[in-house]
Amino acid sequence: KAGVTQTPRYLIKTRGQQVTLSCSPISGHRSVSWYQQTPGQGLQFLFEYFSETQRNKGNFPGRFSGRQFSNSRSEMNVSTLELGDSALYLCASSPTPGKPYEQYFGPGTRLTVT
Amino acid sequence: GQQLNQSPQSMFIQEGEDVSMNCTSSSIFNTWLWYKQDPGEGPVLLIALYKAGELTSNGRLTAQFGITRKDSFLNISASIPSDVGIYFCAGQSLIQGAQKLVFGQGTRLTINP
Repeated sequence: KAGVTQTPRYLIKTRGQQVTLSCSPISGHRSVSWYQQTPGQGLQFLFEYFSETQRNKGNFPGRFSGRQFSNSRSEMNVSTLELGDSALYLCASSPTPGKPYEQYFGPGTRLTVT
Repeated sequence: GQQLNQSPQSMFIQEGEDVSMNCTSSSIFNTWLWYKQDPGEGPVLLIALYKAGELTSNGRLTAQFGITRKDSFLNISASIPSDVGIYFCAGQSLIQGAQKLVFGQGTRLTINP
């Protein structure tokens, strides 16, 4: 069974631009969560989607948004990029929501903001 | 917000040695998870702990859920080169009506052959 895939794997953007990252969950998994990983703050939860609805949200500004499609694929968008948004963005999928211990992580998208 | 204190931040050991790392918090968690992350990859779940006092093994790895529900430790016995990586603890609890994970800052394990 294929794992969680994230595209692109690497991205370089300029401050002020916006970016969209994509995540394809494991087949049959309907819940997708997004995390930001930085050396300073570590791994932090962004949001969780299930059945095209956001179920859960972390403490991030409104510049961070996401959505989920009917095939469970998910995208996250960051608008008006700031230097501090440089991070590894991880997507994780699970069969059902609210059970982080059932999550499988993708390899991440490394975003660099210059 | 909730925070997990994970220690040590890094470890340099010889192959074959045993390893111990732990996480503590001032908050109570209902689940503790331990992950390993290799370079260029996402975290992989090693062990999940669901109740206070639980001791669980996965091969050479053993983890325990503290009695107070505020701490957990992970032991690795007889380390081998493929154990190199970053280990994270994570606590799950109900925050603002939803189950959320809080992660430790990680322990970077380096093994000298």
